[in-house]
Amino acid sequence: AAGVIQSPRHLIKEKRETATLKCYPIPRHDTVYWYQQGPGQDPQFLISFYEKMQSDKGSIPDRFSAQQFSDYHSELNMSSLELGDSALYFCASRIQGLAVNEQYFGPGTRLTVT
Amino acid sequence: GEDVEQSLFLSVREGDSSVINCTYTDSSSTYLYWYKQEPGAGLQLLTYIFSNMDMKQDQRLTVLLNKKDKHLSLRIADTQTGDSAIYFCAETPRWAGSYQLTFGKGTKLSVIP
Repeated sequence: AAGVIQSPRHLIKEKRETATLKCYPIPRHDTVYWYQQGPGQDPQFLISFYEKMQSDKGSIPDRFSAQQFSDYHSELNMSSLELGDSALYFCASRIQGLAVNEQYFGPGTRLTVT
Repeated sequence: GEDVEQSLFLSVREGDSSVINCTYTDSSSTYLYWYKQEPGAGLQLLTYIFSNMDMKQDQRLTVLLNKKDKHLSLRIADTQTGDSAIYFCAETPRWAGSYQLTFGKGTKLSVIP
């Protein structure tokens, strides 16, 4: 079965640089979530999209932005990178409207800021 | 994970049962979830339980829910070395506008051969 695809899997950037993370949800999934997991931490919700519209924001810094495109893939854009942005970034997708909130997670992008 | 609490570590011998505990705070959460994360990997949905159920069994996994105490547990029978991972409980609180998940800190399960 198709899973959530994230690219790249690993990314190394320097402070103050920019990064773009991509997420391709499971086909027919209309909702995408982005989570950030710092070292030894639990995943923290950043932002979500439903049918290409932003649906909710969590603890996402102003330096970050995201969007969902017509083919439902999503991109997380990160600017002025800081050392503290080093983390695993997960994308998850689901089908809106189902009773059970089954979110399927991608393998994550490991971002290292040096 | 500020609203969902878990013990951080658990060590068991292969073949024994593991019990991972979680305390959540939002009684309006309709479903509660258990996710598994292996080293360097993504989060895998293991199982979930509807809030009006007390117990759910799925092969080696048993989920118990005490809604009065807001206590959730995951029991893994006949624990294997492949079960070594971090286990997160998660809920969708009432304030979660788009049903985003709130996770506990995770319990690292180590299985001793």
